[in-house]
Amino acid sequence: GNSVTQMEGPVTLSEEAFLTINCTYTATGYPSLFWYVQYPGEGLQLLLKATKADDKGSNKGFEATYRKETTSFHLEKGSVQVSDSAVYFCALRRRDYGQNFVFGPGTRLSVLP
Amino acid sequence: DAGVIQSPRHEVTEMGQEVTLRCKPISGHDYLFWYRQTMMRGLELLIYFNNNVPIDDSGMPEDRFSAKMPNASFSTLKIQPSEPRDSAVYFCASSSSLGRIYTEAFFGQGTRLTVV
Repeated sequence: GNSVTQMEGPVTLSEEAFLTINCTYTATGYPSLFWYVQYPGEGLQLLLKATKADDKGSNKGFEATYRKETTSFHLEKGSVQVSDSAVYFCALRRRDYGQNFVFGPGTRLSVLP
Repeated sequence: DAGVIQSPRHEVTEMGQEVTLRCKPISGHDYLFWYRQTMMRGLELLIYFNNNVPIDDSGMPEDRFSAKMPNASFSTLKIQPSEPRDSAVYFCASSSSLGRIYTEAFFGQGTRLTVV
């Protein structure tokens, strides 16, 4: 079946530290891949996406590269800020009939000043 | 566009009462998803629709839960009767597949349901 695995949280970093949140997936075919962010009390917001192998999604200093050979889509940011504290979800969307999304369990990030 | 609109934002009800959650998707989107989020179980897909037709309702926990989409601009999720274990944040999301370009899901702000 289709699934998404993320590193266990919570992740606690100091401001300006480097961030990596690992994400690997299992899927039939070639899904689209997404990172969503959820701030406290809010819904999920799209952070970035990639629709084919070797694509790099980027937004607000965050980056992730679609790696078909390792079935991974790791999220990175060179220098985190306190305002990046949130829960991050990796997700895929199947391209076969149904077009359902599959979400990972989420990784909580806390950035300390 | 105002995005996906959910109502109410907060709902507190007594056990045994009927609860109806509402969602207005983004205009032109042909997919609509209902999710439930709890600390214990994370984000769970309950049901999703394509062109107003339910495609997969295998995530609906019990017969107490039902969802409808009478037209392209409105959907409801109903719980009858409600139980304390239904307390969660319920999200509605919509997306598009026009021209076979499948977009990301756009989420509403959620409805926080508390059953006492």
